[in-house]
Amino acid sequence: GAGVSQTPSNKVTEKGKYVELRCDPISGHTALYWYRQSLGQGPEFLIYFQGTGAADDSGLPNDRFFAVRPEGSVSTLKIQRTERGDSAVYLCASSLMSGGGYNEQFFGPGTRLTVL
Amino acid sequence: DAKTTQPPSMDCAEGRAANLPCNHSTISGNEYVYWYRQIHSQGPQYIIHGLKNNETNEMASLIITEDRKSSTLILPHATLRDTAVYYCIVRVAYTGNQFYFGTGTSLTVIP
Repeated sequence: GAGVSQTPSNKVTEKGKYVELRCDPISGHTALYWYRQSLGQGPEFLIYFQGTGAADDSGLPNDRFFAVRPEGSVSTLKIQRTERGDSAVYLCASSLMSGGGYNEQFFGPGTRLTVL
Repeated sequence: DAKTTQPPSMDCAEGRAANLPCNHSTISGNEYVYWYRQIHSQGPQYIIHGLKNNETNEMASLIITEDRKSSTLILPHATLRDTAVYYCIVRVAYTGNQFYFGTGTSLTVIP
């Protein structure tokens, strides 16, 4: 079956521009997560959705970052006024449920964002 | 969530067992040990997890010490495709399910 997909796979933008990164989770997975991974580092948690609502957005670095999941499936990570420090691979993961017990997170391939 | 300490890199000969250590001396009684790996240019992949007892699945074995302050991931017969960064994570099972990755161990399997 289809795994987690992310588009675009690569995005190059200029400092100050707005970008949107899309995540299509595995069908039926109610939990969705965004992570950011800088070169040589492990993934860093950004935000987690349970259904349509953001259950934990404590990892978002500042108010330039925002994510939505309006219908409880596809999610979009939005970054305003991009800065060079935002350059990283943005990973999305989904799992069957959350809040009780362990549920394996399935990761997508990531979107590589480069801010010039 | 408790912090983990892993060696930054390791080598292993192809066909031999790869033993990847993880120290989690501040682990709490309700925190699980999880292992994920990340092959170059891919997203992380779940390997195994455990609480107290040793665990084994088709990918690997997880050995947790009796005091739970450290653990070892064992890949019994390493192949070149096992070359990856391996992350040891400790986390309470009933929180928001996000993982706090460290920098992991970069395992290189040598032909």
